[in-house]
Amino acid sequence: GAVVSQHPSRVICKSGTSVKIECRSLDFQATTMFWYRQFPKQSLMLMATSNEGSKATYEQGVEKDKFLINHASLTLSTLTVTSAHPEDSSFYICSAPYHNEQFFGPGTRLTVL
Amino acid sequence: GDSVTQMEGPVTLSEEAFLTINCTYTATGYPSLFWYVQYPGEGLQLLLKATKADDKGSNKGFEATYRKETTSFHLEKGSVQVSDSAVYFCALGSYNQGGKLIFGQGTELSVKP
Repeated sequence: GAVVSQHPSRVICKSGTSVKIECRSLDFQATTMFWYRQFPKQSLMLMATSNEGSKATYEQGVEKDKFLINHASLTLSTLTVTSAHPEDSSFYICSAPYHNEQFFGPGTRLTVL
Repeated sequence: GDSVTQMEGPVTLSEEAFLTINCTYTATGYPSLFWYVQYPGEGLQLLLKATKADDKGSNKGFEATYRKETTSFHLEKGSVQVSDSAVYFCALGSYNQGGKLIFGQGTELSVKP
């Protein structure tokens, strides 16, 4: 089956620093990947669509300069949280489509101190 | 815009009880509908799906029927087990939008022995 990995699984950083989260499709290629944010006990909120070879498409209300997305290859998308602040602490999840199904990564827990 | 509404949790049931988790949606066009499950500490997994009106998705004893007339996709299981304890998410998606998903807020299910 299709597997999506994320790295790191957990990260703790200081306020003002930047953090990069990787999303990889391990056994298939994905020209599109999706980034979601999940707050505790709440739903997944779609942040942006990552497009290989072109700019990401951001959902309304998501700051492009805060959440930088780069789809570097057909198997890798990265989300960089720039100048992170405590309110950016959350669970970030990526997904990639394969054969008309979305496969999700295990998520990255970001804690900003 | 498109949206999904689920019944609020947490839902606590005894083993072998009947489960219903309500889900209604608002969408333009003809989306596909999904139920995802998130077990503690794990990523989202597709539980079942339906791609058109009157389709019934089923998996692991769970069922849901795509009802266009009531814009609903309620999840049911006749006899729950302790191992079904998880958070369940209803979602809609449209592949002409690149496969991105809109999630409901999630319903936490706890099954007691």
